[in-house]
Amino acid sequence: QITLKESGPTLVTPTQTLTLTCTFSGFSLTTSGVGVGWIRQPPGKTLEWLAVIYWNDDDRYKPSLRSRLAITKDTSKNQVVLTMTNVHPVDTGTYFCAHVVGLGYAFDFWGPGTRVSVTS
Amino acid sequence: EIVLTQSPGTLSLSPGERATLSCRASQSISANYLAWYQQKPGQAPRLLMNGASNWAPGIPGRFSGSGSGTDFTLTISSLEPEDFAVYYCQHYDDSFMYIFGQGTKLEIK
Repeated sequence: QITLKESGPTLVTPTQTLTLTCTFSGFSLTTSGVGVGWIRQPPGKTLEWLAVIYWNDDDRYKPSLRSRLAITKDTSKNQVVLTMTNVHPVDTGTYFCAHVVGLGYAFDFWGPGTRVSVTS
Repeated sequence: EIVLTQSPGTLSLSPGERATLSCRASQSISANYLAWYQQKPGQAPRLLMNGASNWAPGIPGRFSGSGSGTDFTLTISSLEPEDFAVYYCQHYDDSFMYIFGQGTKLEIK
């Protein structure tokens, strides 16, 4: 059974760095083709993909956010970490991590999400 | 940059009726990388269809997907009460990575 769960701060001050952790079970990030992505959703708005990292350390970022994002994995802990620098109120929303198999394929298992509010 | 436009923005129907949701791409895309998700309030999205027309595991047969090129459709043949939710289409493009549509809200009439 594949499960994912996001964790991180609920409140972040503008210009600070946001660090989110996705802890998963039921699969390994050493298995060929497997990846974990991050997707966020501002309140009342659509989904926005941020980044994805694959079993072979291949990583991809949304181009407009690339300079602010970093995604890493720790296979021994079954965790994927997303850091976002210089956050602003527009970064407020629910952040999801999700499992994917293969570059470009759909996210088939999702965590419940973690809410982040960027406010002074 | 590819844009996915979903229509209608809101669809009001009754249980038992047929729902047809549209996802239109600003340029031709590969159906292999077109997916549909369902999201209920306070929940994570749930994968319904991938490759435009392939059911994700556990998805009821009343859901079906079709389309090619720029026009894709998600059809729910006979609405059940649990189907009222927001639906998103999503595409992967190697230049612009993963893109989501703005969503269609399916509400009870």
